[in-house]
Amino acid sequence: QSVLTQPPSVSAAPGQKVTISCSGSSSNIGNNYVCWYQQLPGTAPKLLIYENDKRPSGIPDRFSGSKSGTSSTLGITGLQTGDEADYYCGTWDNSLSAGVFGGGTRLTVL
Amino acid sequence: QVQLQESGPGLVKPSETLSLTCTVSGDSISRFHWNWIRQPPGKGLEWIGYIYSSGGTHYNPSLKSRVTMSVDTSNKKLSLKLSSVTPADTAMYYCARGSLGATGGSYYFYMDVWGKGTTVTVSS
Repeated sequence: QSVLTQPPSVSAAPGQKVTISCSGSSSNIGNNYVCWYQQLPGTAPKLLIYENDKRPSGIPDRFSGSKSGTSSTLGITGLQTGDEADYYCGTWDNSLSAGVFGGGTRLTVL
Repeated sequence: QVQLQESGPGLVKPSETLSLTCTVSGDSISRFHWNWIRQPPGKGLEWIGYIYSSGGTHYNPSLKSRVTMSVDTSNKKLSLKLSSVTPADTAMYYCARGSLGATGGSYYFYMDVWGKGTTVTVSS
């Protein structure tokens, strides 16, 4: 059981937009910054978003992040088949004093 | 650019100690939090802990009693030891460069460079 809650799967057509939610509590998302990772099949996770809404160099602006209260949302526009991957949210949990992740969401581009 | 490479035995017997190394190349090991994360087959990510470049450590409370991390700054190598392993410790193990700090009363924590990972199976 993950500390952060994500939907197991989402899907959308190429060119469309999709959002992935990440729900937590006041001990984690509510009081700390959120990041998002993309894990393509058979590869290591890759940082997509950090500090709620910042993109590392090289990450296209099709990817966006936001936070409201104890939830965060990853948005992906202009979907491509190459975006098919597992997406994880992450943050620091003050009560656990540990880094925590969501359970992951598998994106299918139909 | 910085690259990370994990290495170690792919098979460990139950009750023994899992030992992995992460070699850092392309950049300094200083000023970062060096993390270990694992991913059981078909499952999600679990943060194991970090070691700062100065040697300070912080472990996931769920694994704290079994985890030891160390750093060799001169050779730019990180080490993870996990004792008394069981089949539940079977996973892909990753090392990752991280940033952890506080601004405006909130913590930021993220990992921007990951190794490719190494698979560890616990079985007799």
